[in-house]
Amino acid sequence: SAVISQKPSRDICQRGTSLTIQCQVDSQVTMMFWYRQQPGQSLTLIATANQGSEATYESGFVIDKFPISRPNLTFSTLTVSNMSPEDSSIYLCSPKKGNTEAFFGQGTRLTVV
Amino acid sequence: GENVEQHPSTLSVQEGDSAVIKCTYSDSASNYFPWYKQELGKGPQLIIDIRSNVGEKKDQRIAVTLNKTAKHFSLHITETQPEDSAVYFCAADTGRRALTFGSGTRLQVQP
Repeated sequence: SAVISQKPSRDICQRGTSLTIQCQVDSQVTMMFWYRQQPGQSLTLIATANQGSEATYESGFVIDKFPISRPNLTFSTLTVSNMSPEDSSIYLCSPKKGNTEAFFGQGTRLTVV
Repeated sequence: GENVEQHPSTLSVQEGDSAVIKCTYSDSASNYFPWYKQELGKGPQLIIDIRSNVGEKKDQRIAVTLNKTAKHFSLHITETQPEDSAVYFCAADTGRRALTFGSGTRLQVQP
């Protein structure tokens, strides 16, 4: 398994501001994914964080709204920009080592007021 | 892309009874099928998984079955306990990309 540290664990933010979420893994992983989980819903993939290159975004998610960095194989950040109440969700990073299990941290519970 | 459907959305059982959650998938290239348990305020936790080269896998009170021909897989929990109460998600993966999740099943075990 992998130990995942995601920060912050929760935050309450004003609309129009931005929040950067950090994800640190205790070992190198080939793939890192960011998911959003809206209240009472399943997990929706936002993007794949690629080390050394631009992230790959899923339909409905754009780089200007959710910029992602992945400077090395153990760390990634997701920024939620220009937040609105609709962005209130749990955001989860998920490292994956090739064709093996995907793990999740505790997530970041974001409330936008 | 892959589409995963999960049923039922809610399931209530008496303590000691069995619980079964079913999922279907669409992409025949999917070869890895994990199940996650999510408790309130926590991230999803991997509880069991199965790969396409086996039909069944058991781990104590939990088992997963896979029917590749029909493209469905199921989670079986026997002798349920109140601490099994949580939301359970199935997922499918080709191994080369992110997981596609089912919609989730809220399991409540009544003491």
